[in-house]
Amino acid sequence: SQTIHQWPATLVQPVGSPLSLECTVEGTSNPNLYWYRQAAGRGLQLLFYSVGIGQISSEVPQNLSASRPQDRQFILSSKKLLLSDSGFYLCAWSLGLANYEQYFGPGTRLTVT
Amino acid sequence: GIQVEQSPPDLILQEGANSTLRCNFSDSVNNLQWFHQNPWGQLINLFYIPSGTKQNGRLSATTVATERYSLLYISSSQTTDSGVYFCAVEDRGSTLGRLYFGRGTQLTVWP
Repeated sequence: SQTIHQWPATLVQPVGSPLSLECTVEGTSNPNLYWYRQAAGRGLQLLFYSVGIGQISSEVPQNLSASRPQDRQFILSSKKLLLSDSGFYLCAWSLGLANYEQYFGPGTRLTVT
Repeated sequence: GIQVEQSPPDLILQEGANSTLRCNFSDSVNNLQWFHQNPWGQLINLFYIPSGTKQNGRLSATTVATERYSLLYISSSQTTDSGVYFCAVEDRGSTLGRLYFGRGTQLTVWP
């Protein structure tokens, strides 16, 4: 069966510091991968999606970037964190784009101080 | 993008009660999913239901795609059902797989 991992689980970082969050998927090949952010107030927003190694699409202009160095690895990064980057970051995977069920990882809770 | 509205925003129940959560969406959809977010933040897949009716134990869901709404039924609620329930949809014209989430229903079940 497929599993999705994220780390770290929690992170407290000062403003202006760099960020690297990692997501890995096991038990499937060539998944579509997604990064979402959940801010206070519940709603989730899609940040990035990827259909393959090195293929990243951004949905929201922001202080963040994403990379996919391996088939089942998805990384969210920032060179300099802002206070507004605080939130709960969730990685998800699906077998294809459009009309496929998405499955979410356990998330990383980021607090920027 | 497609608009997703969930109601009620908050629901407080006593253990054993039944409840109905509603999700309205503004356009035709490819995909509709219901999730339960547990206290640790994990999103648990409940149903993948772009149309029709499904049941899983005490939970069932119905989506009427032509009328652009979905309902999640919880019967004989338990304290472990507490958490936030999200509806998420993918619009029919999408080729991205982007899910649009509602703001959720916060369910609290008291013993």
